[in-house]
Amino acid sequence: SQTIHQWPATLVQPVGSPLSLECTVEGTSNPNLYWYRQAAGRGLQLLFYSVGIGQISSEVPQNLSASRPQDRQFILSSKKLLLSDSGFYLCAWNLQTGASTEAFFGQGTRLTVV
Amino acid sequence: DAKTTQPTSMDCAEGRAANLPCNHSTISGNEYVYWYRQIHSQGPQYIIHGLKNNETNEMASLIITEDRKSSTLILPHATLRDTAVYYCIVRVRNNAGNMLTFGGGTRLMVKP
Repeated sequence: SQTIHQWPATLVQPVGSPLSLECTVEGTSNPNLYWYRQAAGRGLQLLFYSVGIGQISSEVPQNLSASRPQDRQFILSSKKLLLSDSGFYLCAWNLQTGASTEAFFGQGTRLTVV
Repeated sequence: DAKTTQPTSMDCAEGRAANLPCNHSTISGNEYVYWYRQIHSQGPQYIIHGLKNNETNEMASLIITEDRKSSTLILPHATLRDTAVYYCIVRVRNNAGNMLTFGGGTRLMVKP
């Protein structure tokens, strides 16, 4: 069966510090991978998606970047965090084939920038 | 991209059916309707999806109108654990990936 791992679960970082959040998927190959962010009390905002190794599309220009060094690994990074980067970050995957495949989400990382 | 409109919040009594509406009047013929829910501080969870026929699974039923401009998610016997934000999504398709775009959702509060 497929599983998605996302860590850490919570993170408190000072302003100006770097960030690295990691997401890995098991039990499938060549998935679409996504990073979403959810600010407190708000909906989910798609940040990045990837259809293959080294292929990253950005939905919203911002202080963050994403990389996909391996087929089932997706990393969200920042060189210098801002207060506005605080939020709940979610990684998700779905299959590239088929018309109606659902997406599976990790348990999220709650980032607080102080 | 087809947009969806949902009520901001709804209440439901425990044990009763919860009917969550969604309008998607600009839906295209090849777009599916998906429902997800997000319990507080967790990742969204897939519930059900459909194209034009009504669908039912162990979690819920999905009723799609004949013109496909709206749908209703039905939780037949709501429990306190069904308290969550429910998202109605019309699936976006492009050449690069099968993205899911989330709107504001409906905050369902199941009350004892």
